[in-house]
Amino acid sequence: DTGVSQNPRHKITKRGQNVTFRCDPISEHNRLYWYRQTLGQGPEFLTYFQNEAQLEKSRLLSDRFSAERPKGSFSTLEIQRTEQGDSAMYLCASSLGSFYYGYTFGSGTRLTVV
Amino acid sequence: KNEVEQSPQNLTAQEGEFITINCSYSVGISALHWLQQHPGGGIVSLFMLSSGKKKHGRLIATINIQEKHSSLHITASHPRDSAVYICAVRKTSGSRLTFGEGTQLTVNP
Repeated sequence: DTGVSQNPRHKITKRGQNVTFRCDPISEHNRLYWYRQTLGQGPEFLTYFQNEAQLEKSRLLSDRFSAERPKGSFSTLEIQRTEQGDSAMYLCASSLGSFYYGYTFGSGTRLTVV
Repeated sequence: KNEVEQSPQNLTAQEGEFITINCSYSVGISALHWLQQHPGGGIVSLFMLSSGKKKHGRLIATINIQEKHSSLHITASHPRDSAVYICAVRKTSGSRLTFGEGTQLTVNP
C-alpha cells in the first residue's frame, strides 16, 4: 500500500466549470475525510465518510459541492460551477476510525480557478 | 476566537538552535496531533498525543491536558526542518480534526 493517493495533483479551471477530484485511501481504513486549505491557513473540515456513509458535512460545503464514496473505497469530491473563491488545496485523509490510530494524509489537489 | 491557536505564526532560526512551537486549545479533546507540511502541500503526521510526552529523533512533543497546551520542540535544528508545523485536535465529541493555522519555520544554514 502506497498511502493515500489524490488525483489530480493540480487542476486549473475556468470559472463556471465543474471539477472532480479523487482520493484513494489506505485500503483497510474505513474513515475518509476531505479538508480544504487556503494559502496561509490551516486546513478546514469539509466532510467525512465511514465506509460508504457520509456522516458529517461542514457548513462550508455549499450546494455546489458534493462528495461520494460509493463502495466504501475511493472517494470523489465534485465542485460545480466553480468560483474563484474555490481556489485552494483540497486534502484527503483516511484513518481506521479508532481513537488509537492516527490519520494518513494525501498530497492534496491544488485547484486554481481563473 | 479559533478553537486551536498556535504561536508563533512565523519563526526563523539559525541551524543548530533549539526551537519551540506552542499550541493552545479551548475544547475538550481525545487527542492532539502535530503535523508537518512541506511546500507542495503533503502533510506528514509527526505525533499523536493524549498525555505526557513523546520523542522521535530530534523532535519532542509534550501536552498538558489541564492547561490545554502542547509544545513541539526541535533540538539541533537543521535547514531540512524548514516547513509548516500544524497543531490539530480531535475533539471528544467527534472524529475529525480541527486545525491551528500553522507555524512557518525557516532554519537558515
